[in-house]
Amino acid sequence: NAGVMQNPRHLVRRRGQEARLRCSPMKGHSHVYWYRQLPEEGLKFMVYLQKENIIDESGMPKERFSAEFPKEGPSILRIQQVVRGDSAAYFCASSPGQGAWNYGYTFGSGTRLTVV
Amino acid sequence: SQKIEQNSEALNIQEGKTATLTCNYTNYSPAYLQWYRQDPGRGPVFLLLIRENEKEKRKERLKVTFDTTLKQSLFHITASQPADSATYLCALDANTGNQFYFGTGTSLTVIP
Repeated sequence: NAGVMQNPRHLVRRRGQEARLRCSPMKGHSHVYWYRQLPEEGLKFMVYLQKENIIDESGMPKERFSAEFPKEGPSILRIQQVVRGDSAAYFCASSPGQGAWNYGYTFGSGTRLTVV
Repeated sequence: SQKIEQNSEALNIQEGKTATLTCNYTNYSPAYLQWYRQDPGRGPVFLLLIRENEKEKRKERLKVTFDTTLKQSLFHITASQPADSATYLCALDANTGNQFYFGTGTSLTVIP
């Protein structure tokens, strides 16, 4: 069991470019969560998805950010027209059922985005 | 808004001693609380979960307490080892079932 796979591990983008972050959940997990970790700050919730559905996107900025979890393939977090403030570590987590209260999250190793 | 505070300074302890990490929260009442371990450059790893009606939870050398009156959780590592050196995060459920609020973590170093 490979666990939660995120790629790329490191991503450098110039201001104004698009960043695409991928996450494949653990086998058997159908619930995906994206969190962002800024330097010296705690992990902040962004979005919660199930296959083909966005369940909760209350933590996602209204503009430039979008997420999807298609029927086939990984979950994608897309950031359009990146700015320096988007530089952070982005973590994906999965769980076998709704909510992490019973299972705890299984996190991937993250994608470190640097905007230059 | 909710606020979570963990030991603000790094914690250094001698090998074999018990490490105690603190997580305090204000402004709301979580039903669940979790502790994670995070190593540099890696994602957090789930360690323990405790519910609001549970006072204490144990797993091997780990023990968590949850005092809803004090709004505090304590995380203990007994017989600490250098391999326990990491950052430890507490996370509180946001009462929505979909997300957790994470603290900034406490860096623990166990000195051989």
